[in-house]
Amino acid sequence: DQQVKQNSPSLSVQEGRISILNCDYTNSMFDYFLWYKKYPAEGPTFLISISSIKDKNEDGRFTVFLNKSAKHLSLHIVPSQPGDSAVYFCATRTTSGTYKYIFGTGTRLKVLA
Amino acid sequence: KAGVTQTPRYLIKTRGQQVTLSCSPISGHRSVSWYQQTPGQGLQFLFEYFSETQRNKGNFPGRFSGRQFSNSRSEMNVSTLELGDSALYLCASSWNAGGRTEAFFGQGTRLTVV
Repeated sequence: DQQVKQNSPSLSVQEGRISILNCDYTNSMFDYFLWYKKYPAEGPTFLISISSIKDKNEDGRFTVFLNKSAKHLSLHIVPSQPGDSAVYFCATRTTSGTYKYIFGTGTRLKVLA
Repeated sequence: KAGVTQTPRYLIKTRGQQVTLSCSPISGHRSVSWYQQTPGQGLQFLFEYFSETQRNKGNFPGRFSGRQFSNSRSEMNVSTLELGDSALYLCASSWNAGGRTEAFFGQGTRLTVV
């Protein structure tokens, strides 16, 4: 039962254009969302997060949008650079019991030079 | 400040054997979580330790166990290895109990079971 879904396993974007990575979740009780980036042979690194009280958070070229009614999260990268090529995981936090992160299956982004 | 260190980086084991993986968290971090990453499955939560106590556990069989020491270092043990246990095992540390603050990941241990 996948509570966090990234339905696009891969995405290719031209350098300089916008990359949009999507994530859907099932539980309306989730209150904190994060994006992690992972290069091959490395652990995931934290990219950006958003609390459920906001609908947008921006950090440089990265913007995360949250649509609570649709239970949908997206990450926008503008402009995309070849160094952004990696696997991106969205994650969310449970609010019931002890806290833990639940990760999506990841989207492999390839930025073409 | 040193990051999260996982040892070994790569491991090859035979079915039926057991394995122990190690994780040293960032200095000052008291929470260590373990995840299994396999193709198409994302990161599956194994368990979390905070101040030497297991606080949360994922849906994995009892062959997967862990512990945390007083210096916050953690070990994960898998007994009676199966081919399906081949995966990248990631450890993450955070200052507070998992989920309340951002987690920082190590580079992982690539386990191959043959």
